[in-house]
Amino acid sequence: DQQVKQNSPSLSVQEGRISILNCDYTNSMFDYFLWYKKYPAEGPTFLISISSIKDKNEDGRFTVFLNKSAKHLSLHIVPSQPGDSAVYFCAASAGYGGATNKLIFGTGTLLAVQP
Amino acid sequence: KAGVTQTPRYLIKTRGQQVTLSCSPISGHRSVSWYQQTPGQGLQFLFEYFSETQRNKGNFPGRFSGRQFSNSRSEMNVSTLELGDSALYLCASSTPGTSEAFFGQGTRLTVV
Repeated sequence: DQQVKQNSPSLSVQEGRISILNCDYTNSMFDYFLWYKKYPAEGPTFLISISSIKDKNEDGRFTVFLNKSAKHLSLHIVPSQPGDSAVYFCAASAGYGGATNKLIFGTGTLLAVQP
Repeated sequence: KAGVTQTPRYLIKTRGQQVTLSCSPISGHRSVSWYQQTPGQGLQFLFEYFSETQRNKGNFPGRFSGRQFSNSRSEMNVSTLELGDSALYLCASSTPGTSEAFFGQGTRLTVV
């Protein structure tokens, strides 16, 4: 049972435009959500996170939106740059506050930013 | 501040052998988690250690085990290796009080 889903395996956008990556989850116990960027044969790099008590969190060009009622979150990258090209993973945890650090990952979306 | 360090980076083993992978977390991080990444299954949680105790375990056979030492460094062991164990093994340490996990570069294990 895939508790965290990224239904778009790939996304292509033009440099300077907005990239929107989507993620859905099924487990109501998840209370913390994270986005990671990953290059092949390397570890994921933490980008941004959001707790379930918020609906938006911004960090520079990255904004994460959380819709709890729809069990949906999205990552917006504005403006997109060629260096953003990578696989993006959504992850969820039921341990906000540190009770656990177990993360459930989505299957990833390959973002290609065209110059 | 040094990041998460995993050793070795690459490993080739033969079926039936065992292997030990090592992870040094970010200084001050007491929680260490391990993940397996394969093309078919994606990133899957193996286990989590906090203050030398296993706090969570994923759905992997008993051949996969781990431990954490008093300095928070962690090791994972896979016994009786199978071809399907070939994967990128990732270690992550977490900021105290949050679920923000920071990953190492991983160990690429190839079983032949």
